[in-house]
Amino acid sequence: DTAVSQTPKYLVTQMGNDKSIKCEQNLGHDTMYWYKQDSKKFLKIMFSYNNKELIINETVPNRFSPKSPDKAHLNLHINSLELGDSAVYFCASSSQGARFEAFFGQGTRLTVV
Amino acid sequence: QQPVQSPQAVILREGEDAVINCSSSKALYSVHWYRQKHGEAPVFLMILLKGGEQKGHDKISASFNEKKQQSSLYLTASQLSYSGTYFCGTEYNNNDMRFGAGTRLTVKP
Repeated sequence: DTAVSQTPKYLVTQMGNDKSIKCEQNLGHDTMYWYKQDSKKFLKIMFSYNNKELIINETVPNRFSPKSPDKAHLNLHINSLELGDSAVYFCASSSQGARFEAFFGQGTRLTVV
Repeated sequence: QQPVQSPQAVILREGEDAVINCSSSKALYSVHWYRQKHGEAPVFLMILLKGGEQKGHDKISASFNEKKQQSSLYLTASQLSYSGTYFCGTEYNNNDMRFGAGTRLTVKP
């Protein structure tokens, strides 16, 4: 069983479209994250949720909206996609916050054309 | 707020040693180390907690200087499988883990 699963793995879309990336974890963790990894491999935190509550909301354009329907899911919806949104997006989860190891999903490679 | 890693890249021969450093300008609760291979997700290696507790890999060691807010990852007798990009993640508050820019390690035969 995959611990943290993201769908889709690849996403190619046109500028201006709206898209969603789904993330689910079956580890019973209460903290989930979204990270963006650009072409320079820099892993930048976007959002952090604890027990469905938003904890961290970095300076991310409000076109990005996370949604956590329950502790096991954290989805990312992106409106009006731009070329600069092209990156790999990783979902991660951990127990009781960042004092325990984080498990990452396989990543979603988003390409905006 | 993200930590600073050095060096940016290292090239080694099998069997050689390497040290990767991570420093923060803010007080840390913990430091994490992860390795990412090309096209894959980052994988956990080690956590170092304030107070000296360590959890993680038995073939890779690390240190955490709380006063200096620095951590170092020690890779000894490197193997080809050690190749990848190493990230340190620093925890400032609970639920807030930030990563450095990564150190690309290449081990050659």
